[in-house]
Amino acid sequence: GAVVSQHPSWVICKSGTSVKIECRSLDFQATTMFWYRQFPKQSLMLMATSNEGSKATYEQGVEKDKFLINHASLTLSTLTVTSAHPEDSSFYICSAREGTLTYNEQFFGPGTRLTVL
Amino acid sequence: AQSVTQLDSHVSVSEGTPVLLRCNYSSSYSPSLFWYVQHPNKGLQLLLKYTSAATLVKGINGFEAEFKKSETSFHLTKPSAHMSDAAEYFCVVSLPNAGKSTFGDGTTLTVKP
Repeated sequence: GAVVSQHPSWVICKSGTSVKIECRSLDFQATTMFWYRQFPKQSLMLMATSNEGSKATYEQGVEKDKFLINHASLTLSTLTVTSAHPEDSSFYICSAREGTLTYNEQFFGPGTRLTVL
Repeated sequence: AQSVTQLDSHVSVSEGTPVLLRCNYSSSYSPSLFWYVQHPNKGLQLLLKYTSAATLVKGINGFEAEFKKSETSFHLTKPSAHMSDAAEYFCVVSLPNAGKSTFGDGTTLTVKP
């Protein structure tokens, strides 16, 4: 099956620094990538949808200037958490979908655990 | 608009007994429906999906789900639970021309020896 990787798998940073998380589709071209945030014992919260070559669409309540998303190629999307604070600590998961048809399933990355001290 | 409700936040079964995880959806159009499983600190893995073909869908690891339009349900079942099935399960709905999917709140499955 299709594989999506995320790097790093975990990161610890100091408050005020920026952290970049990469999401790669390894064996298919991902027209659309999604970024989710997941708090313990909760469902996934969609943060933004990105289509290759265009600006990401952010969900209501998600700060665009804080969570910078770039989808520069069909296999790579990045999420940068700028000026991170402890409340940004969370499990971040990306997913990728081949093509634009919504009956195509999303392939999920393994997630990145961010801890901000 | 689309929405999905997982009727049980926690389900506990004994190993070897059947599993039933319930999911109801709401959508204005014919939806695509998915079940994903998530083990602790891992990403999500697709178990099965319904995309307007056969209403009884078979997935991996012995799971299956039946799409019932009249009941707007897509319940996940497995005849015999295994210890390795203990995980979080998510029901997801997507509509045609909708860019994003909607996730249920998840059901935690516990399997007792």
